[in-house]
Formats: sequence, C-alpha cells, structure tokens
Amino acid sequence: DAGITQSPRHKVTETGTPVTLRCHQTENHRYMYWYRQDPGHGLRLIHYSYGVKDTDKGEVSDGYSVSRSKTEDFLLTLESATSSQTSVYFCAISEPGLAGGTGELFFGEGSRLTVL
Amino acid sequence: AQKITQTQPGMFVQEKEAVTLDCTYDTSDPSYGLFWYKQPSSGEMIFLIYQGSYDQQNATEGRYSLNFQKARKSANLVISASQLGDSAMYFCAMRGTQGGSEKLVFGKGTKLTVNP
Repeated sequence: DAGITQSPRHKVTETGTPVTLRCHQTENHRYMYWYRQDPGHGLRLIHYSYGVKDTDKGEVSDGYSVSRSKTEDFLLTLESATSSQTSVYFCAISEPGLAGGTGELFFGEGSRLTVL
Repeated sequence: AQKITQTQPGMFVQEKEAVTLDCTYDTSDPSYGLFWYKQPSSGEMIFLIYQGSYDQQNATEGRYSLNFQKARKSANLVISASQLGDSAMYFCAMRGTQGGSEKLVFGKGTKLTVNP
C-alpha cells in the first residue's frame, strides 16, 4: 500500500473557524491532490500540486488554500469554514513518470469534516 | 475542458452474472488515460483498471475489463462473474495533460449492488 496518511481523520468544527488538513506521503511522488467527496457529486478536485511550492486550482477551489513546502506534505486550509464545506476530503498522490506505470492515483483514507 | 459522465446512479446484478457500468468522456487532449476505481462501503478508493488513449487493445485485469470505444468516447467497465464483494461505488476518471500538468477528473459514480 502507498504510504499516505491524512490527519485528522475526523473533525467537527464551527462555522468561521480555520481548519487545516494534512496529507503526508512517504512515496516521494511528485503530484499530490486534494479532492472532496459529496453524495451525488463524486470526487471533485479542489487543488493539486506538481512539485514543492507548485500548486494549481481545481474545479472547486473557492474557500480553500493549499501549501506544499516539502515533497512529502500537502496542506489544505479552510480559512473560515462554512457548512457547505462539510464533506469527506481525500488526499491522493501520483507519479506519472514511472516507467511502465499508469500514473494512477493512490488515495489516503479520507478525512471527514463536519462544520456546524 | 474534460468531463466524465456516468449515467447510471445505481445498478443491480445477480451474483455470478456479468455487468457493464457505463462511462463516457469528453476531452480535446490527443493523449489521455482512463481509470476505474472502486469504493466499498468502508470508504477506501481502490484502483481497478487503466486504459491509455493510444492502447490498441482493451485493458483487462482479472474479472475486470474495459470496453474502450475511442470514436464513441466511451470506456465502459465490464465485471464478469459478479461476487457479493463487488457491491460498491464505482468511479470512472480521466487524466488529461492540458497545460502540461496532470490531473484526474472523476464522474459522479455508479452504485453497484450484487444480489445473492
């Protein structure tokens, strides 16, 4: 199994508070992603990173920021959480350049965030 | 823009029968990859199968095969000899390389139920 850990796994917070989710990998993969999963919407890309300090927006980036200061860590921050950000958040990694590889995503176990 | 469409919110199949889960895609990239993931009720995301846009043959992985019809922009997943453990959400995803970076876009998923 790919070495990906997300923390915290579960969090309940109140509207307006800041929240940071952490994704840590031990695979030295170049790409890291944050998705959110909501019923009826599948997985939607929030932000992704293609290297240290190199990040880009996904399709649902409003209200979220990210940082990647080290290859192994990718942080997702909700500056002021809202109830619409209640979701399950998945981190994923990939290394498309691996010889013979498909570039598939390896996922973390998910972080369930509830904003009251 | 890339888009994945899964038109079947839910599917039912009898144990030991085959089932096809539909996926259509839209992209202007000449080179792309198509993926299928399984998400059981426990929540983890499991990579099943990959098809590259230039692959001449349909991908197969054990009981999973991908019916790739490039001209129709479809990439249907076929599960043969269904088992009770196949009951799960199934997501189709596409990787494009627009702008030089790689990201996966997911469909909304199909919930498969295998009946004994």
